[in-house]
Amino acid sequence: QKEVEQNSGPLSVPEGAIASLNCTYSDRGSQSFFWYRQYSGKSPELIMFIYSNGDKEDGRFTAQLNKASQYVSLLIRDSQPSDSATYLCAVNTGGWYAGGFKTIFGAGTRLFVKA
Amino acid sequence: EPEVTQTPSHQVTQMGQEVILRCVPISNHLYFYWYRQILGQKVEFLVSFYNNEISEKSEIFDDQFSVERPDGSNFTLKIRSTKLEDSAMYFCASSAGGFMNTEAFFGQGTRLTVV
Repeated sequence: QKEVEQNSGPLSVPEGAIASLNCTYSDRGSQSFFWYRQYSGKSPELIMFIYSNGDKEDGRFTAQLNKASQYVSLLIRDSQPSDSATYLCAVNTGGWYAGGFKTIFGAGTRLFVKA
Repeated sequence: EPEVTQTPSHQVTQMGQEVILRCVPISNHLYFYWYRQILGQKVEFLVSFYNNEISEKSEIFDDQFSVERPDGSNFTLKIRSTKLEDSAMYFCASSAGGFMNTEAFFGQGTRLTVV
């Protein structure tokens, strides 16, 4: 059973701080990794994707991937109250060469940013 | 900005009835997906669809479920005989395809309530 594990939280950080969200996955063959943000009652919104080991930065967000440790993380710098949401880690298995993907989502980490 | 659109936003149906959930993926995307999220639970993969056929499906996607791309723009999920436990938010998503374009963009969801 392929799994994606996240700490459910809640993770509470003060405004302006760095929020660090972590995720581990079980399928060593996974190739692509995603972070989605989901506000209550809304659909997942893509924040970051990463395919290669190392860091990928986009504005206040940095995704980190370590395939050897099967670990993905998301850092949010200068956290804002509007960042308060559930952050979903998602991992693709399969591939375009196989005709499609199966995306496994973690249960999400709830983040609260206190003003 | 291109987006995935889903209709209806909310569907109430009687147990045992058939429902069809509709989606218009982003126009140049090649891969299409359905996910569901039962209230308070994680996003669950149902099925991926490419080149007019199912490419991956989960254990949830049993004989009661089917997908179709009846024309060049719509992508539908049919549940033949709904059960109470089918009550959930159903999300359609699409991705462009290709090795580095696997990120999926989600529609706003259809809330299905089976009574």
